Amino acid sequence: AQSVTQPDIHITVSEGASLELRCNYSYGATPYLFWYVQSPGQGLQLLLKYFSGDTLVQGIKGFEAEFKRSQSSFNLRKPSVHWSDAAEYFCAVGGYTGKLIFGQGTTLQVKP
Amino acid sequence: NAGVTQTPKFQVLKTGQSMTLQCAQDMNHEYMSWYRQDPGMGLRLIHYSVGAGITDQGEVPNGYNVSRSTTEDFPLRLLSAAPSQTSVYFCASSGGPRNEQFFGPGTRLTVL
Repeated sequence: AQSVTQPDIHITVSEGASLELRCNYSYGATPYLFWYVQSPGQGLQLLLKYFSGDTLVQGIKGFEAEFKRSQSSFNLRKPSVHWSDAAEYFCAVGGYTGKLIFGQGTTLQVKP
Repeated sequence: NAGVTQTPKFQVLKTGQSMTLQCAQDMNHEYMSWYRQDPGMGLRLIHYSVGAGITDQGEVPNGYNVSRSTTEDFPLRLLSAAPSQTSVYFCASSGGPRNEQFFGPGTRLTVL
């Protein structure tokens, strides 16, 4: 079955600190993996995606993610968090069928 | 380009009423999806379509119908509204399974 687990419902980091948001997926074939961000009252914006090639992918706003097939993970990282990064982050897995499944989301709070 | 548009923005229904949430896109995308967003549940896929005349069920299809008679439009029908369908509904479109999904602004539905 196709599924995504984001183990951390809520994370708080200090501004300037590094960030890692965890994502584990279940998919029977080659997965297409995505991270989206939703700022308060806003729609969803794509941060980055992976479907093949280099397992470390770069996205917008200084985010990166690493695909680890052996661990079924696609964790999102940022070396230095800014106050404007406070938002809800969603990991999603899809495939050639076009069916995209999202995780429950992780809410990021940034302390000044 | 307007992107993905959804109407209405807000709706209040009584239990048992029916209604249609409208979704349209002007990007000539083949893939379209409907999601519902509830606190702590992330986005859950209701139905999706990979082209005109082709639809399939997502994670939570019960109580909802869709059709795709044109590339541009993908309406979602609530057959007999229930309080459990109180949610924010998002429509999305993309050019393919590896492509970014573009989301509409959402419809906030309350069922009394």
